[in-house]
Amino acid sequence: QKEVEQNSGPLSVPEGAIASLNCTYSDRGSQSFFWYRQYSGKSPELIMSIYSNGDKEDGRFTAQLNKASQYVSLLIRDSQPSDSATYLCAVNPNNNDMRFGAGTRLTVKP
Amino acid sequence: AAGVIQSPRHLIKEKRETATLKCYPIPRHDTVYWYQQGPGQDPQFLISFYEKMQSDKGSIPDRFSAQQFSDYHSELNMSSLELGDSALYFCASSSRGNTIYFGEGSWLTVV
Repeated sequence: QKEVEQNSGPLSVPEGAIASLNCTYSDRGSQSFFWYRQYSGKSPELIMSIYSNGDKEDGRFTAQLNKASQYVSLLIRDSQPSDSATYLCAVNPNNNDMRFGAGTRLTVKP
Repeated sequence: AAGVIQSPRHLIKEKRETATLKCYPIPRHDTVYWYQQGPGQDPQFLISFYEKMQSDKGSIPDRFSAQQFSDYHSELNMSSLELGDSALYFCASSSRGNTIYFGEGSWLTVV
């Protein structure tokens, strides 16, 4: 089992809709969770970080963490075509390195 | 703000040659990470250094080695290159335990 699992997609939503991206992780002791956005051929860019159970909102983005279920999600409200990218879920299990999921490719159609 | 600097940005090597990638972390960051990302793949962790000592090791081939120097820059050395080593290599840095920031990456093409 991969340490971080994501649906690879592609996920397609119309402009203005809510995009929901999901991620599960295997290391129950993980404490830090991140969502990165990566455009093709570019480096991953941090979108959100979350450390405690519940929701964390930043503009159109909301991260949700449920440590009991080992589940973290990212909601993108009012999706824009510029949100089209691959979204990487990352878990920092031991403060030494980051483990990434395979990424979910999101396409927002105008 | 200063970011993670990687060089070279693009590199073309022949099979069995050697390549060296360099990484300059964000100032005052004490941890450096190396990742390899093949086409359509997620970033795979290779190795990390904290305060110039190797702190964790991932899926780094034995043909690869890395080190972090006294000025905190790091180099990834890849020998006996294979076609499958063609990938985008990211360096990232953090202040231990905090968010990891990525460089723009170095494209390695092995022909």
